[in-house]
Amino acid sequence: KAGVTQTPRYLIKTRGQQVTLSCSPISGHRSVSWYQQTPGQGLQFLFEYFSETQRNKGNFPGRFSGRQFSNSRSEMNVSTLELGDSALYLCASSSGTITDTQYFGPGTRLTVL
Amino acid sequence: DQQVKQNSPSLSVQEGRISILNCDYTNSMFDYFLWYKKYPAEGPTFLISISSIKDKNEDGRFTVFLNKSAKHLSLHIVPSQPGDSAVYFCAARRGSGNTPLVFGKGTRLSVIA
Repeated sequence: KAGVTQTPRYLIKTRGQQVTLSCSPISGHRSVSWYQQTPGQGLQFLFEYFSETQRNKGNFPGRFSGRQFSNSRSEMNVSTLELGDSALYLCASSSGTITDTQYFGPGTRLTVL
Repeated sequence: DQQVKQNSPSLSVQEGRISILNCDYTNSMFDYFLWYKKYPAEGPTFLISISSIKDKNEDGRFTVFLNKSAKHLSLHIVPSQPGDSAVYFCAARRGSGNTPLVFGKGTRLSVIA
């Protein structure tokens, strides 16, 4: 089975711009979660989509949004980029059950200048 | 308020010896715990998990111990190998409902040959 894929792997943007990141989950997985990793902060949960519906949301401003398509692929959008948005954005997929393991993609490294 | 804490940012261990990584949590509602390993430029990979109905789970060289009364879990790696050098994240979730994983900030393990 192919793993979780994320595109692009690297992005450089300037303040005020917006960005869209893409995640393709493992085939058959219906849940996609997004996390932000910054130095020394661990992984901070952004949101989770299950069957095209946002099921959980972390404590991030409304500039961060996402969606999921009928094929379970998910996109994350960040509008009006700030310097502090520079981070590794990780996507994880799972079947969506309580004890199911989340499998992570390699991440998208976003740099905001 | 950090609900999952990994108080040691780094740990160095000699090859062949035991590595012990610690994790504390504050939310008594957490009842499912996981450890992930992360290499640079890659997403986290699942290592091992434990449900709160157990106090120990083993998988090869990896053993996770859970002490519910102390709200503490630990990951033991025996014997440690140079390829184990990575950042290890502890994560927890509430078993009821599809709640997101809460991650610690990670511990960087260096196994010295």
